[in-house]
Amino acid sequence: QVQLVESGGGVVQPGGSLRLSCAASGFTFSSYGMHWVRQAPGKGLEWVAFIRYDGSNKYYADSVKGRFTISRDNSKNTLYLQMNSLRAEDTAVYYCAKDLFIAAADNFDYWGQGTLVTVSS
Amino acid sequence: AIQLTQSPSSLSASVGDRVTITCRASQGISSALAWYQQKPGKAPKLLIYDASSLESGVPSRFSGSGSGTDFTLTISSLQPEDFATYYCQQFNNYLITFGQGTRLEIK
Repeated sequence: QVQLVESGGGVVQPGGSLRLSCAASGFTFSSYGMHWVRQAPGKGLEWVAFIRYDGSNKYYADSVKGRFTISRDNSKNTLYLQMNSLRAEDTAVYYCAKDLFIAAADNFDYWGQGTLVTVSS
Repeated sequence: AIQLTQSPSSLSASVGDRVTITCRASQGISSALAWYQQKPGKAPKLLIYDASSLESGVPSRFSGSGSGTDFTLTISSLQPEDFATYYCQQFNNYLITFGQGTRLEIK
């Protein structure tokens, strides 16, 4: 069965950095686009970033562009999110999510359980 | 970026009621829209993909319709487990956006 397991969350000071990981299993990871989505406490869902199945293209929300970097290692079935210059407003649960269709950026059919990032001094 | 506006933002209903949630896009997105259900402390769950296709394993009381700028999610007969928050999401381009959510509460 498909599993997505995030890790790497924690408490970081403003201006600091953190790298999130998402370990994937149960499907052909290298065939699917992957996303990061976040949810601030008590708020709605916010899409953060997308990476194509082969890593050839990456897209970011304006709120994180220039600070966050999405990447993947298809040999390790793992998705990453490098977060730099963190701000208080980046505090959220971060989910990784899988595209429904091969080689697309579309509906998200599987989500991880989420990892909490808290930016606070 | 394309904006999605859901209405209502919150809704009170009873078991057995028929409920409709609307999602309006700021520009045409064809059928590039999904609906998700989220319960407290849990990850979202895909209900409807490509505007009107029912995800595998999702009860048939859920249905989606629309194209272009106006979309609806309908629950034909509310069950106790359906009380949750619902989000629409567009993927017309690579800059994906979500609606603000509709909280469905028990009356």
